[in-house]
Amino acid sequence: EAGVAQSPRYKIIEKRQSVAFWCNPISGHATLYWYQQILGQGPKLLIQFQNNGVVDDSQLPKDRFSAERLKGVDSTLKIQPAKLEDSAVYLCASSQDQSGGPDTQYFGPGTRLTVL
Amino acid sequence: AQKVTQAQTEISVVEKEDVTLDCVYETRDTTYYLFWYKQPPSGELVFLIRRNSFDEQNEISGRYSWNFQKSTSSFNFTITASQVVDSAVYFCALSGGYQKVTFGTGTKLQVIP
Repeated sequence: EAGVAQSPRYKIIEKRQSVAFWCNPISGHATLYWYQQILGQGPKLLIQFQNNGVVDDSQLPKDRFSAERLKGVDSTLKIQPAKLEDSAVYLCASSQDQSGGPDTQYFGPGTRLTVL
Repeated sequence: AQKVTQAQTEISVVEKEDVTLDCVYETRDTTYYLFWYKQPPSGELVFLIRRNSFDEQNEISGRYSWNFQKSTSSFNFTITASQVVDSAVYFCALSGGYQKVTFGTGTKLQVIP
């Protein structure tokens, strides 16, 4: 079974530029998550999708971050414009969620973003 | 609000020593799940264990064991006979209602050969 795929793996941009990250979850997984992990910290949830609907985006800086999950499969996370403090690893995860309870999340390799 | 505290920032042990990673959590949910993840230098978070709040039995998997105590809100992780390959950052995580997961700040384990 293929794992969670993310691209690109690394990205370097200047502040005020835009950037987009892509995630393809494990086949059949209904829930998709985007996390931000700043160096030395634990992952922080940015947004959670259940199929193509948003379940939680309370920690997403909506003035500059946006995310979509078209057709309930792939997802894109965008930052526009980027700030220096956005430098972090952006992790995508997915879970199956058939049990009705919090399910195990499987993570992709992440995208390391550096904003100069 | 949920909170996970991993008070140990970094731990160094010599190979073959046992090591325990502490995790203390706070939640108002009566039903919740606890997780441990490993993040090796490559960066990908690897799932280790999931435990629900109604199951307080300790679990052993090879050299890994977990001690869940609701009375002290703790879910500690022990590695027996540590190996260099165990060097990584370990995260404890908590999930209550609606599957929102809160991660601790992680404990960096260095196993010295």
